[in-house]
Amino acid sequence: GQQLNQSPQSMFIQEGEDVSMNCTSSSIFNTWLWYKQDPGEGPVLLIALYKAGELTSNGRLTAQFGITRKDSFLNISASIPSDVGIYFCAGSKAAGNKLTFGGGTRVLVKP
Amino acid sequence: GAVVSQHPSRVICKSGTSVKIECRSLDFQATTMFWYRQFPKQSLMLMATSNEGSKATYEQGVEKDKFLINHASLTLSTLTVTSAHPEDSSFYICSASRDRDLVDEKLFFGSGTQLSVL
Repeated sequence: GQQLNQSPQSMFIQEGEDVSMNCTSSSIFNTWLWYKQDPGEGPVLLIALYKAGELTSNGRLTAQFGITRKDSFLNISASIPSDVGIYFCAGSKAAGNKLTFGGGTRVLVKP
Repeated sequence: GAVVSQHPSRVICKSGTSVKIECRSLDFQATTMFWYRQFPKQSLMLMATSNEGSKATYEQGVEKDKFLINHASLTLSTLTVTSAHPEDSSFYICSASRDRDLVDEKLFFGSGTQLSVL
């Protein structure tokens, strides 16, 4: 099935650093969602975006819905150890509510 | 916030047996539930859409006779993996939407079920 192109696939963070990841698509989505998944758990919704150009924050997280409706990014400011996990973007088109997921960004702690 | 409960969290079974996984919406009525499959280090792949009171809609390539879905009430959907084989071993996750008109596109996910078929 169609997937969103999410990058980077993985990244190492050091406590206090800012983290950025993005998703792009060749087609338009009307809703963008960002989830975090910890090992052995289901995804947990972080931020939902409904309007092109929308910029939304949730604590240290900020996400934006691209103006073209074909992309979105997620920023994490001042990262902490518990930010480690896999982050997924997901997009939804107008009807059906079926989510298309990105491939995930695995956030790891620098040794 | 909305809570979706999935049970069991982990199951180990012998090849050829059937396994049932339950997905419950705890504080809302879920008119639509979704079942996903996730292999290690991969993304979630939608298997089927379950609508209360009607037949499930399966994604291309998903065997409906292999993965039986029942959504008999507004708070419960079940996925039965029939005659499970080792290749069916995977992490299965359900999600639920409270909105029949699908305007609220925020989905709430269960905690997943790790199926291991020996």
